[in-house]
Order: sequence, then C-alpha cells, then structure tokens
Amino acid sequence: GAVVSQHPSWVICKSGTSVKIECRSLDFQATTMFWYRQFPKQSLMLMATSNEGSKATYEQGVEKDKFLINHASLTLSTLTVTSAHPEDSSFYICSARYEDYGVPGANVLTFGAGSRLTVL
Amino acid sequence: GEDVEQSLFLSVREGDSSVINCTYTDSSSTYLYWYKQEPGAGLQLLTYIFSNMDMKQDQRLTVLLNKKDKHLSLRIADTQTGDSAIYFCAERKGQGGKLIFGQGTELSVKP
Repeated sequence: GAVVSQHPSWVICKSGTSVKIECRSLDFQATTMFWYRQFPKQSLMLMATSNEGSKATYEQGVEKDKFLINHASLTLSTLTVTSAHPEDSSFYICSARYEDYGVPGANVLTFGAGSRLTVL
Repeated sequence: GEDVEQSLFLSVREGDSSVINCTYTDSSSTYLYWYKQEPGAGLQLLTYIFSNMDMKQDQRLTVLLNKKDKHLSLRIADTQTGDSAIYFCAERKGQGGKLIFGQGTELSVKP
C-alpha cells in the first residue's frame, strides 16, 4: 500500500516551453503532497507543499510563478515548470503524506520514483 | 549551517556491518527517518523512529537515537551488495509532515 506514482519519469524539452509533471497517490488519499528538487549528488531540497483545494506553500527562494502547483484532487498534484530553461534541468521528486496506523501521528512520507527533466 | 548533516561516503565489505551517522539540530523534531535511494530512483522509506525512543530494530536494520546529542545512526547488519545506495536521514519539522533531509551518505559495498 501507500504507492505514489510520478509521470513522466523523464522528459526532454526545448528552452522556453512548459512541462507538467504529475504526482498521484494510487491507493490512498493525500491532502498534502510535497515537491522536491534534487541536483546530482546532492540532497533533496523542498520546493513547496501542495495542499488539496488550496494554494501551495512555497519555500523561500522558489519562484511560484515559475513552478506552478495544482492539487485539484485528493490523489493528484501537478507541478508545471513554466518557460523552462537549462538551469531548471533537475530531478523532481514528489511525496505524499499518509498515516501509518500502526504508529499514529508518524506522518510517513512515501515518494514517487522521480521525474528527470532535461531542458535543451 | 545545515539542519541535518551526514558523512558523504562509506565503504564496507560484503558481510560486514555498516553504520551510517546523522546529526540534526532541531530538538523539537518528533520523528526521524531513514530513506534509501538507488541510482535514478525515488526514495524508499527504510524505517523511522519516534523521538521518545532510543532504539528501533527491524530485521537487519537497527536505528539508534541519542536525543541529548541529536545524533541518529542506522546500522545495517550483514551488508549485501544490494545495499549499495545513497542513504538519507531526515527530520520532521512541525506537524505538517515537512521533512528536512541530510546530504545523503553513499554506501559502497565491495564483494
């Protein structure tokens, strides 16, 4: 259980175009999802917290107009990289929070497999 | 400085035990987590520990938490080549589920 699916797993686009990445919770409902960005050999940097039915909360330094997040349902959040440039090339990983009923309050995060974006 | 710090590399021989260390700064962290990332893949939750626990064991994995020193470790017994990956520790900030990750420790297991 608690599977998160990300699509696409990799995408190549031209500079100036927009790219949408989907994050789905397959067997549970996720009111909160998180979007991370990971550069090669580096840790995950939290970009934003996606809340179902409301605006996303962005971390400091993350451009909200550049990285559009929509969480329209309890099982889907999307990240759109608008007017992508080569410096946006990265590995984007989403995660969704679910309750581990064996340990209430643990707020375990399960992660998608990631989406590798390459902007030419 | 970084909220969560880890050493970057660890190399062990197959069959030995591996110990990956992590320090964190937020004494109010309620849960601490260990994730595994294989090349080109997402993160796989290995285990987590509640802050009022000192130790948690799950098959080959043992987590030790020293809350006074804000030190967390992951011990992998009988390390196998399939354990080669990057291991991230993370602390949970607040109630919202937001996790702050360390830099990751690359574990290399040699036959």
